[in-house]
Amino acid sequence: DQQVKQNSPSLSVQEGRISILNCDYTNSMFDYFLWYKKYPAEGPTFLISISSIKDKNEDGRFTVFLNKSAKHLSLHIVPSQPGDSAVYFCAASAQEYGNKLVFGAGTILRVKS
Amino acid sequence: DSGVTQTPKHLITATGQRVTLRCSPRSGDLSVYWYQQSLDQGLQFLIQYYNGEERAKGNILERFSAQQFPDLHSELNLSSLELGDSALYFCASSVKAASPYGYTFGSGTRLTVV
Repeated sequence: DQQVKQNSPSLSVQEGRISILNCDYTNSMFDYFLWYKKYPAEGPTFLISISSIKDKNEDGRFTVFLNKSAKHLSLHIVPSQPGDSAVYFCAASAQEYGNKLVFGAGTILRVKS
Repeated sequence: DSGVTQTPKHLITATGQRVTLRCSPRSGDLSVYWYQQSLDQGLQFLIQYYNGEERAKGNILERFSAQQFPDLHSELNLSSLELGDSALYFCASSVKAASPYGYTFGSGTRLTVV
């Protein structure tokens, strides 16, 4: 039962352009959403998060948008840099379930220089 | 270095065997989580321990077990291994028992069952 879905296995973007990574969820109990970034041979590292009471959170080049009615969130990276090339995981949690993280399958982002 | 240490980094073993994966959490973190990442799959939650006690269970097979010791390190035991158990196994730690943020992941153990 995939409660968090990242339907694009990979995305290729030119350096300097915008990268948009998408994530859909099915469980309306989720109240906190996070994006993690993973380089090869390393564990995932936290990137940015958003609470369900907000619809946007920005941190430098990274912005996360949340559309609760559509159960959809997206991560925008502007401008994209070659160092952003990594696997990006979307994750969600719910107080109801002890706040443990439920992850999507990940999207491989390649930023071409 | 995230502060979460997982050993070994790589493990190759035969079907039917048993292995133990080890995780040392970041200093000060009381909660340990185990996740499995199979090919083309997201990180699947297996089990969580908090201060030595099992806190939450996910999609963990009966052939798998875990524990957290008094020094807070954790071990994940995988027995009667099957080819499908080949995966990356990640450990994460956090200070609190039920918080969605503050997870710090180790670099993982790559298990290959042949």
